[in-house]
Amino acid sequence: DAGVIQSPRHEVTEMGQEVTLRCKPISGHDYLFWYRQTMMRGLELLIYFNNNVPIDDSGMPEDRFSAKMPNASFSTLKIQPSEPRDSAVYFCASLVGTSGTNTGELFFGEGSRLTVL
Amino acid sequence: AQSVAQPEDQVNVAEGNPLTVKCTYSVSGNPYLFWYVQYPNRGLQFLLKYITGDNLVKGSYGFEAEFNKSQTSFHLKKPSALVSDSALYFCAVRGPLSGNTPLVFGKGTRLSVIA
Repeated sequence: DAGVIQSPRHEVTEMGQEVTLRCKPISGHDYLFWYRQTMMRGLELLIYFNNNVPIDDSGMPEDRFSAKMPNASFSTLKIQPSEPRDSAVYFCASLVGTSGTNTGELFFGEGSRLTVL
Repeated sequence: AQSVAQPEDQVNVAEGNPLTVKCTYSVSGNPYLFWYVQYPNRGLQFLLKYITGDNLVKGSYGFEAEFNKSQTSFHLKKPSALVSDSALYFCAVRGPLSGNTPLVFGKGTRLSVIA
């Protein structure tokens, strides 16, 4: 299995530009998570999906951030317009949930390092 | 609410010595506990988990963790540290009554193994 695949691995952009990060979860996994990692705040959950449906987006910083999952094998996280404080590493992760509570481990992608100048 | 505390930002240990990375948790009911490791410029990788059963859990790369319910702890251990173990370690928890809510991660502990 190829694991969780994220693109791009690195993105440098200027303030005000639109940024789109992409994620392909592991086949068969029905949960997908977007995290952001910074030195100051550590690992923050932004949003997660179950069966392509957003379940909790309370971690999304503001309206400039949006996420979609049009099908089971693809998700995007979009920032428009981007700001320097959005600079971080963004991780996508997936897992296969069981009915009821799930005990499975998360599988993380390698991350997308975003730098907004 | 669920929470995890990793009291040490940094742990330094000499190669060959035993290592311990501390984690305490707070959750309603019996916890599901996890350890992840992050190497530089990489994503988090699963090391081990405790769901039920034996309090001593063995995982990848020779790591193990001991679940202590009375102390609400889940410390990560390894008998003999390697320089290649140097990385960022995260403890995470989910409560069994939480349904399918995501894991709650600690802030991470940076382990430095010195040759």
